[in-house]
Amino acid sequence: AQTVTQSQPEMSVQEAETVTLSCTYDTSESDYYLFWYKQPPSRQMILVIRQEAYKQQNATENRFSVNFQKAAKSFSLKISDSQLGDAAMYFCAYEGNDMRFGAGTRLTVKP
Amino acid sequence: GAVVSQHPSWVICKSGTSVKIECRSLDFQATTMFWYRQFPKQSLMLMATSNEGSKATYEQGVEKDKFLINHASLTLSTLTVTSAHPEDSSFYICSALTDMNTEAFFGQGTRLTVV
Repeated sequence: AQTVTQSQPEMSVQEAETVTLSCTYDTSESDYYLFWYKQPPSRQMILVIRQEAYKQQNATENRFSVNFQKAAKSFSLKISDSQLGDAAMYFCAYEGNDMRFGAGTRLTVKP
Repeated sequence: GAVVSQHPSWVICKSGTSVKIECRSLDFQATTMFWYRQFPKQSLMLMATSNEGSKATYEQGVEKDKFLINHASLTLSTLTVTSAHPEDSSFYICSALTDMNTEAFFGQGTRLTVV
């Protein structure tokens, strides 16, 4: 089965600074999608950004961008100009035949 | 974006009773739905993958007779926790794939407490 690994249980960033969250995955599938989700205390899953594996270009969504290294099976999330509202749990997710999540990274934003 | 409605948002039940959780895609057809369980401060653990009109595929270690999943239509999947025990208390989340299979949309989750 596919696995998703997030090795940073907690990260902290100063407001307006940049932070990078790491994610690696393991798969034998050739066609898949990768996602970063944000989960605030309400527990509602909010899609942050999506990357199709067949696309070489890294996805960007306003202050959020990814560094997708397919050969290395790495998919990191960069948050620029961090805001207080960015504080949450962030989950990396893999979607192939099913959808699996990493352990999560709790991001704290310091004012 | 597409909307997935999960009901109830919270439920308290007595040990030994059964509880049904519904997951509905309101404005799209979902050929595939996923059911997850999330313990406090932990990740979403995939329980089963539900495809419309066929039996669900359960993850290893998930009791299919205890967690009954029915995906009878393209807009509705249900998870029934049978003979609930306190250790079944958890947060359960469903998600649904659109027919394009490019993005999963999540329900609001159900907090189950078994007393």
